[in-house]
Amino acid sequence: EDKVVQSPLSLVVHEGDTVTLNCSYEVTNFRSLLWYKQEKKAPTFLFMLTSSGIEKKSGRLSSILDKKELFSILNITATQTGDSAIYLCAPAQGGSEKLVFGKGTKLTVNP
Amino acid sequence: DTGVSQNPRHKITKRGQNVTFRCDPISEHNRLYWYRQTLGQGPEFLTYFQNEAQLEKSRLLSDRFSAERPKGSFSTLEIQRTEQGDSAMYLCASSLVSYNPTDTQYFGPGTRLTVL
Repeated sequence: EDKVVQSPLSLVVHEGDTVTLNCSYEVTNFRSLLWYKQEKKAPTFLFMLTSSGIEKKSGRLSSILDKKELFSILNITATQTGDSAIYLCAPAQGGSEKLVFGKGTKLTVNP
Repeated sequence: DTGVSQNPRHKITKRGQNVTFRCDPISEHNRLYWYRQTLGQGPEFLTYFQNEAQLEKSRLLSDRFSAERPKGSFSTLEIQRTEQGDSAMYLCASSLVSYNPTDTQYFGPGTRLTVL
């Protein structure tokens, strides 16, 4: 059975802190892994990772994939209150490209 | 705005009633997905279309659920004889399939269903 485990499930930090969110997965016919940010509405796309060891960056956010160990991490540096959200990890399965989501990590950034 | 749109945004219904939701994908996206999300969980795959063909349905999808995409553009999701357990956020996503592995799914705002 396909499985995605995100850790921690919840995290509370102060503005300026750096956080690392973890995602481990076991899915059949793995194709790529996507990260989304969800703030009380639909998930918004952050990154798509297809190759191991290649870091993707967007501003203060970065992510990397390890296809051998079956995990990915999402880093956020110099956190801001606007980063407060649920971060979802979702491997995509080849063919259908359907996404298998984890439960998410709820990040709260306090001023 | 050329993003994914969904209607209605909220639906409250009584147990046993039928409901229908609509999703308009990003123009020219040939794939359309339906997911369901309950509180504290990530979205769960329900079904997907490539153009007008429904190619896969989740084993978790009961016979009360049906989806269509008649002209390969918008899609509807119907739930018959709703049950309280159907209460959830129903999310639609679309993507453009190509031969490159860049099929990012973009989500709509969702329809929140409450079954009383």
